[in-house]
This record gives sequence, C-alpha cells and structure tokens, in this order.
Amino acid sequence: DAGVIQSPRHEVTEMGQEVTLRCKPISGHNSLFWYRQTMMRGLELLIYFNNNVPIDDSGMPEDRFSAKMPNASFSTLKIQPSEPRDSAVYFCASRLTGDNEQFFGPGTRLTVL
Amino acid sequence: GIQVEQSPPDLILQEGANSTLRCNFSDSVNNLQWFHQNPWGQLINLFYIPSGTKQNGRLSATTVATERYSLLYISSSQSTDSGVYFCAVVYSGNTPLVFGKGTRLSVIA
Repeated sequence: DAGVIQSPRHEVTEMGQEVTLRCKPISGHNSLFWYRQTMMRGLELLIYFNNNVPIDDSGMPEDRFSAKMPNASFSTLKIQPSEPRDSAVYFCASRLTGDNEQFFGPGTRLTVL
Repeated sequence: GIQVEQSPPDLILQEGANSTLRCNFSDSVNNLQWFHQNPWGQLINLFYIPSGTKQNGRLSATTVATERYSLLYISSSQSTDSGVYFCAVVYSGNTPLVFGKGTRLSVIA
C-alpha cells in the first residue's frame, strides 16, 4: 500500500489567495483526519470524517477553512482567503476504526507570504 | 477531562545510551500508539499497543492498561533516534486520537 498520500508537499502562496490541500487515504480506511502543526500550538485536529461524513469540525479555526470528502478515496482542505498565520504543516491521516492503527501522510508545508 | 501526559518533556542522550519514555492516560483506552516525529517532520508509526509488550529492533514498548500507562524503551540510542516521540490514545468508540505533548529527544555524539 502506498500509505496516505498528500499533495502538494510544499505550497507557497500570497496572502489572499485560495489554497487547496489534497489527501488520499489508505484504501479501505473509514476515517480521515486533518491536522495542523505549528511551533506555537503543536499538533491540532481540525476536522475528521467517518465514512465520508464530517463528524467534528470544531477544530477548524474559522470560516476561511473548509473541508470536503466527496468519496472514500479523496479529501480536500481549502483555505480562502489565506493569511500569513495559516502558515503551518498540514497533515492528513486515516485509519479503519477507533481501535485500529492510524497512519499519517507526509504533510503539506504551507507558507503564506 | 481527557488527559495524556508524557514525561520527560525533553531528554538529551549520549549515543549508545538507553532511555525510557513514559505515557500516562486518564481512562481505559481501546487504542494506544507511539509515533516518532523525525527532524524532517515526518510522523512515523512506532507501535500500536493498547496492551502488552512489543519489540521492534532497538525499540520496545509496554502498555499496562489496568494501571493506565505505557512505556517506550530505546536501547543503544543513535543520532537517527532524535526527534519528538508522541503517545496518543483513543478513549472510546471511533473518536480521534488524543495526543500527549511529546518528549523531545536529542541524541548527541
């Protein structure tokens, strides 16, 4: 298995631009998680999906952030408009169920100038 | 509330030394994982260990679920062991992992 796949691996954009991060979970996994990691705040859970349905988006910082999972093999995290404080590493992760092992993707390093 | 506490927060080791990292959790769990975040930022799975003992090379882990703690042992440490070690648990059902704040390990020559 290829593991969790994220793209792009690096993104540099200017303030105000739209940013779309993509994630392909491990085939057969039912849960997908989006995290953000910064030096100041550590690893934060933004949103998670079970069976393609968003379960808890309380970690999404504000309305500029949105996430979708149109099917079992694809999810997006969109930031519009982006701001410099959104600069962070964004991780996607997936697992089968709560009592199964969770795997992380390589992350997308986002820099907003 | 739900707590995952890791100790020590920071650790400096000489190459070849052994160490033990601890993770305490506040309730029964149905999933416990140890991750290593390497200096390049990758989150690597080390162990899935809600109970019992496992070994993988120089690393081993033990979870005593009844006493609500897990230990990660690193033997003969190498520079490649440097990074942050996270413990994370699932307390119930299909809820997200709850992460500890990590132990930052530096292995020096």
